[in-house]
Amino acid sequence: GAGVSQSPSNKVTEKGKDVELRCDPISGHTALYWYRQSLGQGLEFLIYFQGNSAPDKSGLPSDRFSAERTGGSVSTLTIQRTQQEDSAVYLCASSLGGLAAQGETQYFGPGTRLLVL
Amino acid sequence: SQKIEQNSEALNIQEGKTATLTCNYTNYSPAYLQWYRQDPGRGPVFLLLIRENEKEKRKERLKVTFDTTLKQSLFHITASQPADSATYLCALGGQGNLIFGKGTKLSVKP
Repeated sequence: GAGVSQSPSNKVTEKGKDVELRCDPISGHTALYWYRQSLGQGLEFLIYFQGNSAPDKSGLPSDRFSAERTGGSVSTLTIQRTQQEDSAVYLCASSLGGLAAQGETQYFGPGTRLLVL
Repeated sequence: SQKIEQNSEALNIQEGKTATLTCNYTNYSPAYLQWYRQDPGRGPVFLLLIRENEKEKRKERLKVTFDTTLKQSLFHITASQPADSATYLCALGGQGNLIFGKGTKLSVKP
C-alpha cells in the first residue's frame, strides 16, 4: 500500500514569508508526528497528533510554528514569518496506534526540504 | 538533560567485515530502543526494536544489543555489503516521544 507522502518535496522561500507543508499519513494510522532534521543534527520532535486528542505541541520551537490535522488524516505544518534558521528537512511520520511508550514503529515520509533565503 | 550519542559521525569499513555502531545515552531510562536506516534524500526506515528487558535481537544480518547498565546499544551488520551504506539512527523511547541520535554514516567499500 501507499506509504507516507509529503508535499512539496522542496520549497524555497524568502525570509518573512509563510509556508505550509503537507503530510498524508498511511491510511488507518491514528498517530502522526512532525520532526525537523537540520544538517548534521538528529531528528528534532516538533508535534504529535493522536486520534482526537489534543496534540502534543511540546517540541514546537516558537509560536511561528503551528500544525493541524483535519479529519484525523492529512496534516499541515505552517511556519509563519520564516527565518533562515528554519531551513531544514521537515519529516512527517505516522504509526498505527501511536502510543510511543509501547514502541510503535513510525513510518516516515520522504520529507520536505525547506530553504529560506 | 537527556542526551543520546552515536559513536561517530562516519564509519568506513571493507565489504564482508562486520560493522559495529554504538549508541550511548545519559539521563534517560528508556523502555525500548529503536534503530533506523536513512538513505540520502529519504526518510528513516525502521529496522529493529529492542526492549529494556531484552539483551539481544537479531534480524537476518543485523544484531542489536542493549545494556541498560552501561546505557548503551550496539548495532552490528555482519558480512557487510556496499548496499548497507547509509546513515543509521538510534532512538530512545518509553517516556513520551522518541529521542533520536544524530546518526552514524556507514560507508562499505567494495
